[in-house]
Amino acid sequence: QSALTQPASVSGSPGQSITISCTGTSGDIGAYNYVSWYQQHPGKAPKVMIFDVNNRPSGVSNRFSASKSGNTASLTISGLQAEDEAEYYCSSYTSGSILLFGGGTKLTVL
Amino acid sequence: QVTLKESGPALVRPTQTLTLTCTFSGFSLTTTGVRMTWIRQPPGKAPEWLARVDWDNDKFYSTSLKTRLTVSKDTSKNQVVLTMTNMGPVDTATYYCAQSMTGRSLDYWGQGILVTVSS
Repeated sequence: QSALTQPASVSGSPGQSITISCTGTSGDIGAYNYVSWYQQHPGKAPKVMIFDVNNRPSGVSNRFSASKSGNTASLTISGLQAEDEAEYYCSSYTSGSILLFGGGTKLTVL
Repeated sequence: QVTLKESGPALVRPTQTLTLTCTFSGFSLTTTGVRMTWIRQPPGKAPEWLARVDWDNDKFYSTSLKTRLTVSKDTSKNQVVLTMTNMGPVDTATYYCAQSMTGRSLDYWGQGILVTVSS
């Protein structure tokens, strides 16, 4: 299984919105509504921000939203804040109960 | 409060077997639905899913690494153990354990342990 495809980097100014895409195949993103998104700050463990395509865990800001269409999932962060600067990874459930990760997107808040 | 912590050697020699332990608290691995997953992340790269053991002792492995991996649980000690045989330099990574109630996302993560493979 190949990794999911994400842009290497995105950037935005404080207050703006950005969207990160995550492209898979009909065997992963396209087959299951089980996409999750993780935020990782340098030297820290990843933190789940979105699960099951568009659900936020308790405590995650509603500035984070997500969706899926076909084989592509998207994460949108609105009202960008300096603390949002991090690496973001998407993940999809696949056959065999395996989770496949994207290559990661570095978000820079200008 | 769910907490997880990985432990094991920081340095492993090539061809050796790596054994990592994840010690957790705040939940029980006998509770229906609890799933424990191992993930690794090479420096500067994306995470890679390795293996999972469930409350009912079902086990799942990465397709590409399954011949080298074994995952087990010790519910009395609140621990999950991962062994990886025939370690090589490409296996240098931070290894994480994570907990989930669905297996579809990774809800709680340990702090990770950096394992370097070098002679």
